[in-house]
Amino acid sequence: GQQLNQSPQSMFIQEGEDVSMNCTSSSIFNTWLWYKQDPGEGPVLLIALYKAGELTSNGRLTAQFGITRKDSFLNISASIPSDVGIYFCAGFAPGSGNTGKLIFGQGTTLQVKP
Amino acid sequence: EPEVTQTPSHQVTQMGQEVILRCVPISNHLYFYWYRQILGQKVEFLVSFYNNEISEKSEIFDDQFSVERPDGSNFTLKIRSTKLEDSAMYFCASSRGNGNQPQHFGDGTRLSIL
Repeated sequence: GQQLNQSPQSMFIQEGEDVSMNCTSSSIFNTWLWYKQDPGEGPVLLIALYKAGELTSNGRLTAQFGITRKDSFLNISASIPSDVGIYFCAGFAPGSGNTGKLIFGQGTTLQVKP
Repeated sequence: EPEVTQTPSHQVTQMGQEVILRCVPISNHLYFYWYRQILGQKVEFLVSFYNNEISEKSEIFDDQFSVERPDGSNFTLKIRSTKLEDSAMYFCASSRGNGNQPQHFGDGTRLSIL
């Protein structure tokens, strides 16, 4: 079945640094979503991407839908302590949009040192 | 901002017992989902539900699982005879439509099977 591979698995950075993480697949996806999960809470939607090549920003966050439709990246600029959490990419494979089956990556754990 | 609410936040149950997890999706959403996250792992799709029918279910969603929308606001997941390996966080999600619409998640129910 379709799988999403996220990298890096974890990151430990200094406050103020920029962060980049990505998500790849061996098969194409029609939609890419980026979620953040804080401890004890559910995933919160950060950015949704619908078209190949699309670049979308949400405050300090920027994400892109890869041209090949097999990858996406998320950048966080000028990180702050509240950026700490687990970031998941998720996507709809062709056909799954109708049934809503979201496939998730393994997550990137971000820690920010003040 | 409207949100998905789940109850209880933590459920402890003896192996073999039935458990019902409850969710109130966002009020104008029509598509409903359950996902599972085993501790430290990625979020996994269980089932999607629309118009009082299951749209898609994963191989995890075997005969021990069932979903129901008993009234106009609640969406439930029942596990008929729980096993130790059912211990996980269970997330409910909803979306306004299909066609790759973003899904919004609740904060989950932690299910612990003893």
